[in-house]
Amino acid sequence: DTGVSQDPRHKITKRGQNVTFRCDPISEHNRLYWYRQTLGQGPEFLTYFQNEAQLEKSRLLSDRFSAERPKGSFSTLEIQRTEQGDSAMYLCASSPDTLLDSPLHFGNGTRLTVT
Amino acid sequence: EDQVTQSPEALRLQEGESSSLNCSYTVSGLRGLFWYRQDPGKGPEFLFTLYSAGEEKEKERLKATLTKKESFLHITAPKPEDSATYLCAVQGIGTASKLTFGTGTRLQVML
Repeated sequence: DTGVSQDPRHKITKRGQNVTFRCDPISEHNRLYWYRQTLGQGPEFLTYFQNEAQLEKSRLLSDRFSAERPKGSFSTLEIQRTEQGDSAMYLCASSPDTLLDSPLHFGNGTRLTVT
Repeated sequence: EDQVTQSPEALRLQEGESSSLNCSYTVSGLRGLFWYRQDPGKGPEFLFTLYSAGEEKEKERLKATLTKKESFLHITAPKPEDSATYLCAVQGIGTASKLTFGTGTRLQVML
């Protein structure tokens, strides 16, 4: 079990630049999630994929955010025209679709700092 | 909208000093309540799932219990390696595995 892998671990960017993060889920997991966590807060749901289909997006996900999972395997999260308020830890999680209440397995996140 | 409130925000214990963390929740139909542990700079690590009032789960020094409105994470004779942030999350019926998290309890266990 290699776990959920996220790349990069850290990203520092200037305001207005675009950034892209990658997530590789556990291989047999069909469900993939993106969450955002700021300091002292719990993770907040951003979006959810079942295989390659994006089934749910949070109201937190502005038009500057886009996520893809083109072949139902890895996923990317892109933030365009970054703002200082985007600074956070971006967490990816995956779960099997055998049960609706399967626990989520999280990666160690990408920490984004917007200067 | 689902809501989760955790208390206390922070807790400092001496090694061996047992205590409990609280998670109060409101959800329109509970599918599951989850406890996670998070170490600094890491993603949350799954501990337990509870489904119905009266249920209990145990793992080493941790025991999680569930009522209709809250869950408790009991820590018995903690060790310094139990120091972490403990997160509670709920999944409502019809939310396709989406979790709503609380803000966590930061636990520090001193020697």
